Amino acid sequence: EAQVTQNPRYLITVTGKKLTVTCSQNMNHEYMSWYRQDPGLGLRQIYYSMNVEVTDKGDVPEGYKVSRKEKRNFPLILESPSPNQTSLYFCASSRASGSTYEQYFGPGTRLTVT
Amino acid sequence: GENVEQHPSTLSVQEGDSAVIKCTYSDSASNYFPWYKQELGKRPQLIIDIRSNVGEKKDQRIAVTLNKTAKHFSLHITETQPEDSAVYFCAAMDRRADGLTFGKGTHLIIQP
Repeated sequence: EAQVTQNPRYLITVTGKKLTVTCSQNMNHEYMSWYRQDPGLGLRQIYYSMNVEVTDKGDVPEGYKVSRKEKRNFPLILESPSPNQTSLYFCASSRASGSTYEQYFGPGTRLTVT
Repeated sequence: GENVEQHPSTLSVQEGDSAVIKCTYSDSASNYFPWYKQELGKRPQLIIDIRSNVGEKKDQRIAVTLNKTAKHFSLHITETQPEDSAVYFCAAMDRRADGLTFGKGTHLIIQP
């Protein structure tokens, strides 16, 4: 089954404790992206990757890091989480070219930073 | 970068009536405009999309129209049903062709 998976689905942590949210896709997609979703603000892009070893900042990259060492994986790293990073996070993947750029979203990770 | 404005933020319609959600975008180079539906507690899923070389696209009860001159596009849902209740997001592909910029979303409520 074609899918995007994220782990963990729920995470409660404390300020300053490094964490990683994993994202994996099995569709051989070149493009992967991380979004955060906050009430009233919609979906905002954090980082994206056009292919292996190619990453770039989105609209709200501060406080986040990513890596793309393999095509299927795109982890999101919070080196020193702060309460303003409490949010719902979605990973997404898509083909980088073609007639449609449909993004397939993961199930989401709800992060709470206290 | 691209900026997408979406209205209204909440829309309540009677079951069976039509619903229209409107979006504007800022980057004239954008050429791909998808709409995503997010049910409560679920992930966003693509319901329809349109490219800039097309003015309208339909898929059963949903349709999208695009006016490139005015830089706005709209989602039309006819004969609304309870299962249409969700948050709808419009988006535009910006000039970098490497990511979507989303609107803030419209909470569509279908009243029985």
